[in-house]
Amino acid sequence: EIVMTQSPATLSVSPGERATLSCRASQSVSSNFAWYQQKPGQAPRLLIYGASTRATGIPARFSGSGSGTEFTLTISSLQSEDFAVYYCQQYNNWPGTFGGGTKVEIK
Amino acid sequence: EVQLLGSGGGLVQLGGSLRLSCAASGFSFSSYAMSWVRQAPGKGLEWVSRISGSGGAKYYADSVKGRFTISRDNSENTLYLQMDSLRADDTAVYFCAKGSPAGEDYYYYLDVWGKGATVTVSS
Repeated sequence: EIVMTQSPATLSVSPGERATLSCRASQSVSSNFAWYQQKPGQAPRLLIYGASTRATGIPARFSGSGSGTEFTLTISSLQSEDFAVYYCQQYNNWPGTFGGGTKVEIK
Repeated sequence: EVQLLGSGGGLVQLGGSLRLSCAASGFSFSSYAMSWVRQAPGKGLEWVSRISGSGGAKYYADSVKGRFTISRDNSENTLYLQMDSLRADDTAVYFCAKGSPAGEDYYYYLDVWGKGATVTVSS
């Protein structure tokens, strides 16, 4: 099973600032990689797939990069609605595995 | 609008059974792989099981293999998860999710998620 490790566990950011979230895979997952956002009491929402492609309706302030084992999600200017937990996920091998999450909180 | 509506959650005794359903609408159901993902209270996400568009290919996480059965009825646009021999650590919110892109049965991401059904296993 591929282990996905996210860092940091918690990120404190002021509105309008840039946030950078990282995810590392224990072995290469090529570009079969996604980012999801989850707010309390809600289902996850797909943000990025293929490591760098924004899902339908996702604002341009969200961008993804990386391939192989190292991936990054950047939120260029945090809005109030962006404070949430973010999960990375690989779908290159079964079982598709998720990282432990990064909570983005208001500083 | 693409929608997934999960149902069937509830409180069940240790060792008991429960069947979850997920009614899909707004897309060509049989063209897409489907999955179940769970989240234990206060924890992260675990991809539990998945099924191809035709229903011919099924995968299970080791934690549920031999106890859970995924199935689908493409004539009714419905996904199922039969859960038997339930354990305390199966307590979670279970989300159904649609795979993408269409026709892809292995390398797919989850682009639409249902609201989730809560399963509580008690002793």
